[in-house]
Amino acid sequence: AQKVTQAQTEISVVEKEDVTLDCVYETRDTTYYLFWYKQPPSGELVFLIRRNSFDEQNEISGRYSWNFQKSTSSFNFTITASQVVDSAVYFCALSEVTGGTSYGKLTFGQGTILTVHP
Amino acid sequence: EAGVAQSPRYKIIEKRQSVAFWCNPISGHATLYWYQQILGQGPKLLIQFQNNGVVDDSQLPKDRFSAERLKGVDSTLKIQPAKLEDSAVYLCASSPLGTPKNIQYFGAGTRLSVL
Repeated sequence: AQKVTQAQTEISVVEKEDVTLDCVYETRDTTYYLFWYKQPPSGELVFLIRRNSFDEQNEISGRYSWNFQKSTSSFNFTITASQVVDSAVYFCALSEVTGGTSYGKLTFGQGTILTVHP
Repeated sequence: EAGVAQSPRYKIIEKRQSVAFWCNPISGHATLYWYQQILGQGPKLLIQFQNNGVVDDSQLPKDRFSAERLKGVDSTLKIQPAKLEDSAVYLCASSPLGTPKNIQYFGAGTRLSVL
C-alpha cells in the first residue's frame, strides 16, 4: 500500500531564512507521480508541483526548489529566503499507476505547518 | 477561469442530524473527488466520480455517507446521521481526467462541526 510521511509536524523560521520540508514515500509501483500542495489559512489546497517517477531532475521555480531522489524515496521541498506569505500547511502527495487501472487517487502526508515570522 | 466552488463554507450541527454539502467543479472537468480532512491530518479520499459514475468509493462509510453526481457536473455529499467523529473539513476537487498524472484542483472546503 502507498504511504507518504512528512516527519516535520511544524517548522518555525524567521523571514529570509531557507527552509526544507521533508517528504518520504512508500510504493510498490515503478510508475507514480508525486505532488506538493500548499494550504493557506483560506483552506484551499493550491497545486505547486508534479513529478513523475522517471524524472529525477531537480526543479527550481523562483524561490521554490524540489529535490527528488528515488534511491531514498524522498521528494523534499526547499523555500529560499522565506517570506511571511509562505506561512501555510504544505502537503506532499503520491498517485500510483497500478496496472493501468488507477484513477488518480492521491495519498497525502500529514502535512507540515510552516510559520514564517517577520 | 472559475475554480471549484463549494458551499456552505461552515456548518454546525448536532449529532444524529443530517447535513449536505455541494460542489461545482471546474467547467469541463470529468473527474470529481470528495476528500475528508480531519484536523491535523492530510486529506483522505472518500469518493471519486468519473462523469456521473463512481470509480472509487472504497473509503466512504456507506452506512451514513452518500454522494451523487447526477448530471456529471455538480455533486452533493450527504451525511445522515452525523457522528462526532465526522467533524472535519470536506474538500471537493476536480481534474480533467481521472488519471494518476492529472493535477487535482481543490475548492476551499466546508468545515463541519458536529456537537
